[in-house]
Amino acid sequence: AQKVTQAQTEISVVEKEDVTLDCVYETRDTTYYLFWYKQPPSGELVFLIRRNSFDEQNEISGRYSWNFQKSTSSFNFTITASQVVDSAVYFCALSEVKSNTGKLIFGQGTTLQVKP
Amino acid sequence: DTAVSQTPKYLVTQMGNDKSIKCEQNLGHDTMYWYKQDSKKFLKIMFSYNNKELIINETVPNRFSPKSPDKAHLNLHINSLELGDSAVYFCASSPIGYTGELFFGEGSRLTVL
Repeated sequence: AQKVTQAQTEISVVEKEDVTLDCVYETRDTTYYLFWYKQPPSGELVFLIRRNSFDEQNEISGRYSWNFQKSTSSFNFTITASQVVDSAVYFCALSEVKSNTGKLIFGQGTTLQVKP
Repeated sequence: DTAVSQTPKYLVTQMGNDKSIKCEQNLGHDTMYWYKQDSKKFLKIMFSYNNKELIINETVPNRFSPKSPDKAHLNLHINSLELGDSAVYFCASSPIGYTGELFFGEGSRLTVL
């Protein structure tokens, strides 16, 4: 069965600290997609990144970087030099290509608080 | 010019009432979804429609009935509302042959008193 686990429920850091949000997933399929979404206090869900199961290259986008490791079934998200505006709930999610339904399985979310 | 729009954004009602949430997308996508976010922030899929056809129906009470009059609209009707239905309901869409991200609406916060 598919499952996404974000073991960190809440993280609190001081501005300019680096922070890593962990995501571990389970799936029997060989082809799947992994996602990160951000939910700021305003409530909307903002897409951050998609990664397919055949692409294990790490990705960097500004202060954000993602580390995908199939060997450990992990897709971790690092924010470098965190800012107060990064305060949000972050969700990791998994989608199986085989089902072709677009169904996303979400992790429980990690609430990140960045203090000034 | 919102891509996925939901109405109403907030809904407060009494137990036992019937209410609807509407969703419209102008992205030309073929697939639409309803997700529920509970008080612990957990997001779970409820329904999915592909070009007006139901393709996902998770274990949801039959008091919840989605309706898709056309592929740009997916409404959610809830009968006999219960306290446990209080949540934020998100509509989303994606193109057919999904491999990309979902485009979410802003959410509709339902409070049942």
